[in-house]
Amino acid sequence: AQTVTQSQPEMSVQEAETVTLSCTYDTSESDYYLFWYKQPPSRQMILVIRQEAYKQQNATENRFSVNFQKAAKSFSLKISDSQLGDAAMYFCAYRSLHYGGSQGNLIFGKGTKLSVKP
Amino acid sequence: DTEVTQTPKHLVMGMTNKKSLKCEQHMGHRAMYWYKQKAKKPPELMFVYSYEKLSINESVPSRFSPECPNSSLLNLHLHALQPEDSALYLCASSQVPSGGYYQETQYFGPGTRLLVL
Repeated sequence: AQTVTQSQPEMSVQEAETVTLSCTYDTSESDYYLFWYKQPPSRQMILVIRQEAYKQQNATENRFSVNFQKAAKSFSLKISDSQLGDAAMYFCAYRSLHYGGSQGNLIFGKGTKLSVKP
Repeated sequence: DTEVTQTPKHLVMGMTNKKSLKCEQHMGHRAMYWYKQKAKKPPELMFVYSYEKLSINESVPSRFSPECPNSSLLNLHLHALQPEDSALYLCASSQVPSGGYYQETQYFGPGTRLLVL
């Protein structure tokens, strides 16, 4: 079974600085998706960034980028120029590429709570 | 439009009440999901509907009864709940598998905060 581990329960960053959130996962599959979701206090889960495992190029989305290390099974999220609105719980998630049974379910890490200091 | 809506935003119910949560999407997605999320925890999958048919039930107690009346709507009927069922209930949707592969992104609604007294 696949697992996702976020080893940092809480992190803090100064506004305008850069912060990196860690995520590691375990799987025997070669094809899968990885996601970072953001959940602010307003509670809606918002997709931040997505990475397909078969793509070597790291995904980027404006101030958000990932460092995807497939061999090391690592998927960290870098937030540049942090803003107050970035304060939220961040969840790393894994999803199998292949359809069937529970293989397509999102498997979440426990989350990292990010605080942004003005 | 990547919007999933949920009503109500908040719900308080007694253990003998019957209530329903509603979820709606107009993105043409044919897979819809219910998740339960306790405070400071990740979401836990409850049910998955694919083409309006229940495809996954993650051993959820029968006091939770899902329904998918059409491709845009998903309901969760609640009856005889327990205080430990108090949580945030999230709905999500995505495209269904194509050629045996999942379309990758689930879009979440804002959730219903449920309190069972």
